[in-house]
Amino acid sequence: DQQVKQNSPSLSVQEGRISILNCDYTNSMFDYFLWYKKYPAEGPTFLISISSIKDKNEDGRFTVFLNKSAKHLSLHIVPSQPGDSAVYFCAARSVDTGTASKLTFGTGTRLQVTL
Amino acid sequence: DTGVSQDPRHKITKRGQNVTFRCDPISEHNRLYWYRQTLGQGPEFLTYFQNEAQLEKSRLLSDRFSAERPKGSFSTLEIQRTEQGDSAMYLCASSLEAGRGANYGYTFGSGTRLTVV
Repeated sequence: DQQVKQNSPSLSVQEGRISILNCDYTNSMFDYFLWYKKYPAEGPTFLISISSIKDKNEDGRFTVFLNKSAKHLSLHIVPSQPGDSAVYFCAARSVDTGTASKLTFGTGTRLQVTL
Repeated sequence: DTGVSQDPRHKITKRGQNVTFRCDPISEHNRLYWYRQTLGQGPEFLTYFQNEAQLEKSRLLSDRFSAERPKGSFSTLEIQRTEQGDSAMYLCASSLEAGRGANYGYTFGSGTRLTVV
């Protein structure tokens, strides 16, 4: 039961253009969403997050949009840079008592930014 | 502070052997988590500690797996009688209590890659 889905395993974008990574979820108890970036042989690194009470959060080149009614979120990177090439994971936290500390991750999208 | 440290970085073991991994969290973090990541998948939650107490365990954590966090500092994850299906990246993360910080203060280590042959 994949509660967080990233349906695009890979994405290729030219340098300077916008990268849009998508994530869908099924669990209505998720109240907080995060994006992580992972380089090979390293652990995931936090990128940006959004609470379910908001629909947008922006941090520099990174913006996350949340559409609760569609259970969909997206990460926009503008402009894309070669150093952004990595695997991006969408993650979600449930408001359920007892699961308050664990994150549920998607399967990741590999972004390649080409010159 | 050097972040979350995991040791070893890589471990190759024969099926049936026991292995133990160590995680040293960020010193002021009272929560510590173990996740497992297999090829093509995202990290999956295994267990977490608040100080020395193990508060939640996933059903993924079979009887062959045991985790400890003595004195609320470093943690160990032991796998007994390893199987080929245990081959994965084992990730440790630490944080302050949930709700403090934009990402719940989750900082991951670089992981231990286990290969069971």
